[in-house]
Amino acid sequence: ELKVEQNPLFLSMQEGKNYTIYCNYSTTSDRLYWYRQDPGKSLESLFVLLSNGAVKQEGRLMASLDTKARLSTLHITAAVHDLSATYFCAVAKRPTSGSRLTFGEGTQLTVNP
Amino acid sequence: NAGVTQTPKFQVLKTGQSMTLQCAQDMNHNSMYWYRQDPGMGLRLIYYSASEGTTDKGEVPNGYNVSRLNKREFSLRLESAAPSQTSVYFCASALWGEWNYGYTFGSGTRLTV
Repeated sequence: ELKVEQNPLFLSMQEGKNYTIYCNYSTTSDRLYWYRQDPGKSLESLFVLLSNGAVKQEGRLMASLDTKARLSTLHITAAVHDLSATYFCAVAKRPTSGSRLTFGEGTQLTVNP
Repeated sequence: NAGVTQTPKFQVLKTGQSMTLQCAQDMNHNSMYWYRQDPGMGLRLIYYSASEGTTDKGEVPNGYNVSRLNKREFSLRLESAAPSQTSVYFCASALWGEWNYGYTFGSGTRLTV
C-alpha cells in the first residue's frame, strides 16, 4: 500500500525566511505532484515532477524529486504572507489503466509579517 | 471556462437520507475520481473510473456508490447518509496516456449530515 508522509504538518514562519517541506513516499512512483489549497477552496496544481532529479521553480517555490530516496521537497525562499496556505504532495502510481493520486496529510503554512 | 464542475456546492442531509453528487468535465479526460477531505487527513480516494465504462474502489468506498454515466460525467451517491460522511467532497479528472497530463479538481461539495 502506498503511503505518503509530509513534514512538518504545521509551519509558522516569518516573512523573508527560507524553509523546506518534506514529502516521503513508500513505494516506487510514476509521478509526484504538489498542490496548494487556500481555506475553503479547491486544489491548485503547483508542480508535476516526472523523473529522478527533476527540479521545478515558480516564483518563491522550488520543488525537487529524488526517486531513489523516495523524497520530494518544496523549498520556500524569502516567504511572503501570500504564500500562507496548505500544501499537499501527492503520488501517482499507475496500474494497468488510469491512476490514483495518494495524498500526504498536508502542511499548513502560515507566514507572519 | 474549461474544467471540472461539481454540484451542489453545499448540502445538508439528515441521517438516512440519500443524495447524488454530480461531476462533469469538459476537457476530454479519460479518468475521473472522487475524493473526500477531512481535517488533518489530506484527501482520500473514494472511487475512481480509469476510463468510460469502468469503476473501482479507492481507500474509503463504504457507504458510497458511483456511476460513470459517460466520458464527461461521474456521479457519487450516498444511499443512506451517516454523520461520518460529513466532509468536503472533491471530484477530479485526468488524462492518462503515454505522458502525464495532470489532474484537475472541481471546487468541492461541502456536505453536512
